[in-house]
Amino acid sequence: DTEVTQTPKHLVMGMTNKKSLKCEQHMGHRAMYWYKQKAKKPPELMFVYSYEKLSINESVPSRFSPECPNSSLLNLHLHALQPEDSALYLCASSQLTQGDSPLHFGNGTRLTVT
Amino acid sequence: TQLLEQSPQFLSIQEGENLTVYCNSSSVFSSLQWYRQEPGEGPVLLVTVVTGGEVKKLKRLTFQFGDARKDSSLHITAAQTGDTGLYLCAGAPAGGTSYGKLTFGQGTILTVHP
Repeated sequence: DTEVTQTPKHLVMGMTNKKSLKCEQHMGHRAMYWYKQKAKKPPELMFVYSYEKLSINESVPSRFSPECPNSSLLNLHLHALQPEDSALYLCASSQLTQGDSPLHFGNGTRLTVT
Repeated sequence: TQLLEQSPQFLSIQEGENLTVYCNSSSVFSSLQWYRQEPGEGPVLLVTVVTGGEVKKLKRLTFQFGDARKDSSLHITAAQTGDTGLYLCAGAPAGGTSYGKLTFGQGTILTVHP
């Protein structure tokens, strides 16, 4: 079982809907990440939070809005998505070191935009 | 921008065969991580190699980090059907200027047939 929990596992939404993805970890990690992964491709970094502050935004469109309410929780708010945004969204966490701390991934949310 | 060239992209073999996956770059990495991802799950860390020339073994898997810390390989001996999955290498940038931004290779999809 993964120590990073993501909900929901699957989500189907229309282009006018608003939805949120949730991620939780209780390992005491102070860095948390959102990645987007297309089928059979590597994960693509979207956002990094360190100490609950947004430290990296990889030029992600504003229809994706991250939020880190506390050190254990990470949300991704979705609004007015496009069909090409359909993908597996992975949350990850790591200890806060100089970039080579391994990532602990959740099992992802499979998002389909119709 | 640091790039990691991973090869081969696809590998289909019979149970019992050996295989090697390569990750190469012109850039130096402070460390290199290998992950395996099974369908419906997030990537799981297999190993981190840190020192140039380092060799690590994990049962039938052998990982090597190049002397110059620019390349790495994963060798699997006597592959089993349970080894099937997407294998990803990921490099942490040297110099600490890109904290949190691992560079992922393109991935190797391994299928082991019984």
